[in-house]
Amino acid sequence: DTGVSQNPRHKITKRGQNVTFRCDPISEHNRLYWYRQTLGQGPEFLTYFQNEAQLEKSRLLSDRFSAERPKGSFSTLEIQRTEQGDSAMYLCASSLGRYSNQPQHFGDGTRLSIL
Amino acid sequence: AQKVTQAQTEISVVEKEDVTLDCVYETRDTTYYLFWYKQPPSGELVFLIRRNSFDEQNEISGRYSWNFQKSTSSFNFTITASQVVDSAVYFCALSDPNQTGANNLFFGTGTRLTVIP
Repeated sequence: DTGVSQNPRHKITKRGQNVTFRCDPISEHNRLYWYRQTLGQGPEFLTYFQNEAQLEKSRLLSDRFSAERPKGSFSTLEIQRTEQGDSAMYLCASSLGRYSNQPQHFGDGTRLSIL
Repeated sequence: AQKVTQAQTEISVVEKEDVTLDCVYETRDTTYYLFWYKQPPSGELVFLIRRNSFDEQNEISGRYSWNFQKSTSSFNFTITASQVVDSAVYFCALSDPNQTGANNLFFGTGTRLTVIP
């Protein structure tokens, strides 16, 4: 049973560029979450998928951010026209279950640095 | 609104000492879940424990123990006989399914624990 996998581990880009991150959840986990973590803070919720449906978005998720989960498997998070304030660790988590509150299992994250 | 407070920003202990990490939470609902996660220097958040609001029994797992007290809205975490490998940032988190169908986690700001050999 492999864990949650995120790629790339690190991304350095210039301000204004677009970036895309990928998350492969634990197989058969129907719930998938994206969080953002800045230095010295706890992770903050961005968005949630149940299977392929994006059911909830945080107000932190500006219109420059878009996430997809085609076919209910892997997910991508794209940030367009990156800004300095986007520099953070982007974490993906997955869990199993429709109604229960099962623990979320996290990947290693993608660290984004904006030059 | 949900809120998790971890007042201890950093704690240092000498190896083999016991240490308690504090967590205080706020929520309006009677049904909620509490979690502890460990984040070692490698960055991955590791799940440690989940507690639901109806189960106030304390739990022990090896050197780890958790004290859940609804009366004080606290969910404290104790490591007994600390080891260098316990050095990490520890996060307390709250999930409130009545407020959000996503069951997303609200995290505290974390406590950085350093165990000195």
